[in-house]
Amino acid sequence: DTAVSQTPKYLVTQMGNDKSIKCEQNLGHDTMYWYKQDSKKFLKIMFSYNNKELIINETVPNRFSPKSPDKAHLNLHINSLELGDSAVYFCASSQDLDTDTQYFGPGTRLTVL
Amino acid sequence: EDQVTQSPEALRLQEGESSSLNCSYTVSGLRGLFWYRQDPGKGPEFLFTLYSAGEEKEKERLKATLTKKESFLHITAPKPEDSATYLCAVRNTGNQFYFGTGTSLTVIP
Repeated sequence: DTAVSQTPKYLVTQMGNDKSIKCEQNLGHDTMYWYKQDSKKFLKIMFSYNNKELIINETVPNRFSPKSPDKAHLNLHINSLELGDSAVYFCASSQDLDTDTQYFGPGTRLTVL
Repeated sequence: EDQVTQSPEALRLQEGESSSLNCSYTVSGLRGLFWYRQDPGKGPEFLFTLYSAGEEKEKERLKATLTKKESFLHITAPKPEDSATYLCAVRNTGNQFYFGTGTSLTVIP
C-alpha cells in the first residue's frame, strides 16, 4: 500500500489554465504539506495543513490554494498557470505538527507551455 | 536568513570507497536537522533527525553527525544501491523548514 499518493504523476498544460493536483495519505497523520522542487532540486515548502487548518503559507502567490476535504486529503489548486510554475510538486505528511519525520509522495511533474 | 548549503554538488565514488557529504546551515534557532535520500523520479525518503551538537545517528552504511554549524553524512564502504541524491534540511524554532539542493552520489561498481 502506498502511504502518500499523488495524482497525476505528470501534468502538461498551457499558460493561463487552471489545474489541480490531488494528494492522499493512508497513515492516519494529522499534518500534510505541499512542496515545490525546481529544476535545481531546490525543495521549498509551500503549505502545511494540520487537522484541516492552514498553518504555514510561505509567501506563495494566491494563485495557489490548498484545499483539504478531510484529514487524509490535501489537494493543490493552481489558477492562471505561469511558465515559472513548472516544477515537481510533492505532497508530504507527518504524524502531527510536533513530529519532524515527513513521508513524501512520489511527486507530480508540472510542465507549463 | 535561514539557509542550508550542501557540498559537494555531485560525488562519484568507487564501490567500497568511503566519503562524507557536508551540510552547512545558518538558522535562527535550530529545532532539528534532517537527512533525506531521493531517488530519481521519487519523493524524498527520511533517513535521520539530529537535534543537538554532538549527536550521531547510524543506519547501515550511513552515519550522520551534527555540530553547531554543520552536519556530515558519512558513507562507509558504499555500494551501487547507495547511489541517490542526499538532501539536508533544517527546521527552525518557528517551525519553518529549509532544504539544501542536495548532493548527487554515484557509486561505481
